[in-house]
This record gives sequence, C-alpha cells and structure tokens, in this order.
Amino acid sequence: ETGVTQTPRHLVMGMTNKKSLKCEQHLGHNAMYWYKQSAKKPLELMFVYSLEERVENNSVPSRFSPECPNSSHLFLHLHTLQPEDSALYLCASSQDRSQGDLNVGSYNSPLHFGNGTRLTVT
Amino acid sequence: DAKTTQPPSMDCAEGRAANLPCNHSTISGNEYVYWYRQIHSQGPQYIIHGLKNNETNEMASLIITEDRKSSTLILPHATLRDTAVYYCIVRPTGTASKLTFGTGTRLQVTL
Repeated sequence: ETGVTQTPRHLVMGMTNKKSLKCEQHLGHNAMYWYKQSAKKPLELMFVYSLEERVENNSVPSRFSPECPNSSHLFLHLHTLQPEDSALYLCASSQDRSQGDLNVGSYNSPLHFGNGTRLTVT
Repeated sequence: DAKTTQPPSMDCAEGRAANLPCNHSTISGNEYVYWYRQIHSQGPQYIIHGLKNNETNEMASLIITEDRKSSTLILPHATLRDTAVYYCIVRPTGTASKLTFGTGTRLQVTL
C-alpha cells in the first residue's frame, strides 16, 4: 500500500547530528501519528496530530520534535539522540471525526501505516 | 483501554484455515476489536475490525463471541505470505486516535 509514504527508509546518524523524518499521506486523512518500535518491544505511540494540532504527546523526550504543517505531511525532527533511540519509526494516518460532526460515538477509522524509517544512532 | 491476551506463536499449514484467538475480557460496550498484522520490516497492515457482529472482508473473517470477551480472526486459506505477527487491539469508539499494540501472535505458515 502506498497511501502513507515515509522517507528515508534507512537513516544512520551520530549523536550530535540533526536530522528529520518525513511522512506524507495521500488518503485525504486529517489525523497523523508517530509510533516507535524498538527491538522486541511493542509499538509505542509517540505523538498524535488531529486537524494539524497536537492532541497527544506520550512523555516523549524533547530531543524528538514533531511538526505537522498540513494534514498531508508530518515530520519528526531529531537532535542529540542516544543509541537507545535506534528503532523503527512508523507514521500512520486516519480520518478523525470532523468538528461539528454530531454523530457522536460512531466514528472509528482504521489507522493506515507507512513502512517506517529504520533509524540507527551511532 | 481494555487489554488483550494472545498466544505468542502459532503454526498453520499452507492452504488450511488459520484461527487466531484473542481474549479481551475487560472490553467495554463502546470498544471495537481491531486486527492488524506486521510482516517483517514493514508497517502494520489493517485487516478488519468489528463491534459485536461477525465481520468478513477479502482478507479475513472476524468472529466475536456474544459476550464480546473474546474473538477469533480467521484466515480461510493461509499462504506463506500470511506469515506475520498478528495484533488484536481494543479501541474506544468515537476516537480516531490511539491504537495500543501488545506483543501479538507470531503466525508461521508452513508448506
């Protein structure tokens, strides 16, 4: 599925570098997510954006900085990372209930994931 | 969010049905059951979801017990390409956020 595209697929960076991960969705969705998947651990939710506003930040260290300039694009800016930050970073999108939608309690849009960026911090 | 319990691993012969169980005994009335799978080095792929009725699509069938405390994902004719980790997730209604992943079931389809 090519609905959610992440670049780069692989990234190696030193602890003093600054880099950014990019996610783009072509599904017309209005919510986007960052997840982290470390080796032998379940996926961990990092950030949620709905209608371009951050609605969740799961106690993620400040060396990870998300940016959502519009509903189709999501970035994760990285600086002064640690080796333990090496992981697969996954982006996802979904259709959130629109503001003013009075059909409360009925909306459940599946998340669609990209194939991730494999990050190695040296 | 309700937690789910899945067996860590299962085997299935190619061409046979794969039945993957999931327990979610603390599920509440407004929570859906979702299934995803993740093939090595790829992002999770949505399979199916349901509230209380059984559901079927081109990929799989979802059977939810009447008390909603457990469910079974059925892949009717498993192929080698179905080898993956399968995640059963319970998600509240009305929120388009937050899938909380557990450790899933690693399904190995063999010849």
